[in-house]
Amino acid sequence: NAGVMQNPRHLVRRRGQEARLRCSPMKGHSHVYWYRQLPEEGLKFMVYLQKENIIDESGMPKERFSAEFPKEGPSILRIQQVVRGDSAAYFCASSRRGLGNTIYFGEGSWLTVV
Amino acid sequence: QQQVKQSPQSLIVQKGGISIINCAYENTAFDYFPWYQQFPGKGPALLIAIRPDVSEKKEGRFTISFNKSAKQFSLHIMDSQPGDSATYFCAASPEQGAQKLVFGQGTRLTINP
Repeated sequence: NAGVMQNPRHLVRRRGQEARLRCSPMKGHSHVYWYRQLPEEGLKFMVYLQKENIIDESGMPKERFSAEFPKEGPSILRIQQVVRGDSAAYFCASSRRGLGNTIYFGEGSWLTVV
Repeated sequence: QQQVKQSPQSLIVQKGGISIINCAYENTAFDYFPWYQQFPGKGPALLIAIRPDVSEKKEGRFTISFNKSAKQFSLHIMDSQPGDSATYFCAASPEQGAQKLVFGQGTRLTINP
């Protein structure tokens, strides 16, 4: 998972605040994916993006969550009005191309909502 | 139908022994099956992956066995070492959606010296 950069690594937010998680894919990768890992659980797919496009957001909660991958800069996962249940590790992954290609994970951003 | 069921939840093996983790799936559209290793506070790292055109794939001490008819696959770690202590996740996806992995619940492996 070397090369996929996520920040911040740890984030504490009070209920009702906004959380912004950033992800820079590996060099040469133009496809980004966000996964969420709740404590003691496996990862759950949230969203798949290419530059300036959301390809698949079937795993994203319908409210408060949004993601973008602008032409310039990192991908951002935004959580508005956080609640305690949003506390989790959020992992970004990237791949060189989409279909059929191996994805590589970053080290994650751990969100704690107090 | 989208689930991947993994067992056991936790496993303790003596150094030098064989660690075996099992996964089962329902969705017959799945045709890409990777295993990930995760250390505490780190992201998952791809360990080994298999596609259903073969029944076994070996890389060093790690082997995936795949049974397409039973819709089951397993990870075998030979000569297990304390450094192998980690959480292991199986996953599955359709080939045409290999980025949209469905993960098992994870197995916490401890190798005793």
